[in-house]
Amino acid sequence: AQSVTQLGSHVSVSEGALVLLRCNYSSSVPPYLFWYVQYPNQGLQLLLKYTSAATLVKGINGFEAEFKKSETSFHLTKPSAHMSDAAEYFCAVSEATGRRALTFGSGTRLQVQP
Amino acid sequence: DTEVTQTPKHLVMGMTNKKSLKCEQHMGHRAMYWYKQKAKKPPELMFVYSYEKLSINESVPSRFSPECPNSSLLNLHLHALQPEDSALYLCASSQVEGVRGNEKLFFGSGTQLSVL
Repeated sequence: AQSVTQLGSHVSVSEGALVLLRCNYSSSVPPYLFWYVQYPNQGLQLLLKYTSAATLVKGINGFEAEFKKSETSFHLTKPSAHMSDAAEYFCAVSEATGRRALTFGSGTRLQVQP
Repeated sequence: DTEVTQTPKHLVMGMTNKKSLKCEQHMGHRAMYWYKQKAKKPPELMFVYSYEKLSINESVPSRFSPECPNSSLLNLHLHALQPEDSALYLCASSQVEGVRGNEKLFFGSGTQLSVL
């Protein structure tokens, strides 16, 4: 069975500081991993996805994530936070075989302080 | 057009009412999804339609009844809901239903449902 665990339901950073949102996965087969962002009162928007082509994945808005099989991790980073990055971030996993629907993590709310 | 449009944006209904949520996309996607999201929780999958046929039903109570009249439209019919059904209902679409497991989902902004 597939699952993702997001460490930290709330993360607060200063504007211009490094953003690090943590995600660990559990999957019995090679996973596909995603990061989605949800702004207040909106649906989810895909930031980036890992599909085994490259371990370092670059996404929109300056975000990137690195797949580390040895650590079963797919942490999301951004070198310099902007106020507009304040949102809820969800890590998600699906599998290439079996049940392919997305399973979301519990989410991390990012606050950016001026 | 890369949008998934959901109507209404807000809905308040009594436990005896019958209402419908609507979702529309014109991206040519052949898979459409309903998710339920409670406050401060992740989205939970309810239903998946693939080529207008119900593909996944996540053991959702029968008071929720999905319908896919054509490849662009997805409805969710609501009847005799409970207060605990109050949530944000999100529609999403993808080119095909996770054939390789890596399909990008496009989400609508959701319908905020309150059941009194």
